[in-house]
Amino acid sequence: DAKTTQPNSMESNEEEPVHLPCNHSTISGTDYIHWYRQLPSQGPEYVIHGLTSNVNNRMASLAIAEDRKSSTLILHRATLRDAAVYYCILPNAGKSTFGDGTTLTVKP
Amino acid sequence: GAGVSQSPRYKVAKRGQDVALRCDPISGHVSLFWYQQALGQGPEFLTYFQNEAQLDKSGLPSDRFFAERPEGSVSTLKIQRTQQEDSAVYLCASSHLGTLNQPQHFGDGTRLSIL
Repeated sequence: DAKTTQPNSMESNEEEPVHLPCNHSTISGTDYIHWYRQLPSQGPEYVIHGLTSNVNNRMASLAIAEDRKSSTLILHRATLRDAAVYYCILPNAGKSTFGDGTTLTVKP
Repeated sequence: GAGVSQSPRYKVAKRGQDVALRCDPISGHVSLFWYQQALGQGPEFLTYFQNEAQLDKSGLPSDRFFAERPEGSVSTLKIQRTQQEDSAVYLCASSHLGTLNQPQHFGDGTRLSIL
């Protein structure tokens, strides 16, 4: 399975943009890039996914590098409710490898 | 709306007991996944169903772990002769079809504690 690498932790100030990076240098041509986030005592929540083109939805934007070996999740204005662990994964058929994600702290 | 429902929310068992964890996926979702999440770590894949067929069980840690989805909807994860290292949160997720271009919808998990 293709693996992803994320920083262990990041900090942001409230109402500022946040860019969460993910490296996936062994990505294959058919791998989609998915992002999830997990709040304490809850299951992961889907955020966004993409294949090649940048994607936007009401929660976030996903910027995918031209060579697809990295991607960035962009939260345009962080709120305290965005504090969570963020996971970047490359689902492979049924199996998904989550890793330990990036813990985002949002300071008021 | 109805999301993925897991029960019980918490389970405490003595070492050596058998436990059964239930997952009710979103209605109509073909794919169902089980994950194990240890404290402070990301979810670890256990097994995957498409309808009633178990297509991948490579993540099950031992033959004490067994999962089934006999009618292609509700699934049960059974752990026999529980050990302390089985203590974790067990997450269930479902998706409309496969995972490549479909998001997974997760339940809030069952927190299992083995004494």
